[in-house]
Amino acid sequence: DILMTQTPLSSPVTLGQPASISCRSSQSLVHSDGNTYLSWLQQRPGQPPRLLIYKISNRFSGVPDRFSGSGAGTDFTLKISRVEAEDVGVYYCMQATQFPHSFGQGTKLEIK
Amino acid sequence: QVQLVESGGGVVQPGRSLRLSCAASGFTFSHYAMHWVRQSPGKGLEWVALISYDGSHKYYADSVKGRFTISRDNSKNTVYMEMNSLRAEDTAVYYCAREVTTIVLVKAFDVWGQGTMVTVSS
Repeated sequence: DILMTQTPLSSPVTLGQPASISCRSSQSLVHSDGNTYLSWLQQRPGQPPRLLIYKISNRFSGVPDRFSGSGAGTDFTLKISRVEAEDVGVYYCMQATQFPHSFGQGTKLEIK
Repeated sequence: QVQLVESGGGVVQPGRSLRLSCAASGFTFSHYAMHWVRQSPGKGLEWVALISYDGSHKYYADSVKGRFTISRDNSKNTVYMEMNSLRAEDTAVYYCAREVTTIVLVKAFDVWGQGTMVTVSS
């Protein structure tokens, strides 16, 4: 099974400043079809998760362009260029390259 | 609008069974693979199971394999999770989620329900 490890687990950020979350997989997420099925989700307090980014770097419909994803192989990053108050919540990476699919432990983004 | 609504959660004793339902609306349900994902209180997300758009393929997490069964009824726009031999560690909010379906594979979950709480306790 693929283990997903996120760092940091908690990230206090000042409004308007950037934030970055790292996600590392225990094995390559490159699928046999050549794609890498790594996505990022946001879970605001009391809400279900919401898709932000799919296939490493593709922003989902309606997601602000301050969110961006990058990486390859086993190392991936979610960046928020300028944190806003509505960005508070927990962020998860998820791999769907292999079964069982798996999530990172989550990174809690909070405002300083 | 596109919506998923879970139901069937509740309090159940260890070893007993429960069936969850997820009713879909606002989209052509039979075109989409569906997943169940759970979240234990105060914890992270755990993928549980997938069923393909036509029900022909099913995959499970090791933690539920042999105890849980995912199924769907495309005539009723509903996906189910039959949960048997429940354990305390199955206590969680259970979400159903839709897998993005486009011309190219995406393998991401774009629509989520609000979840239904399952508590396994004596």
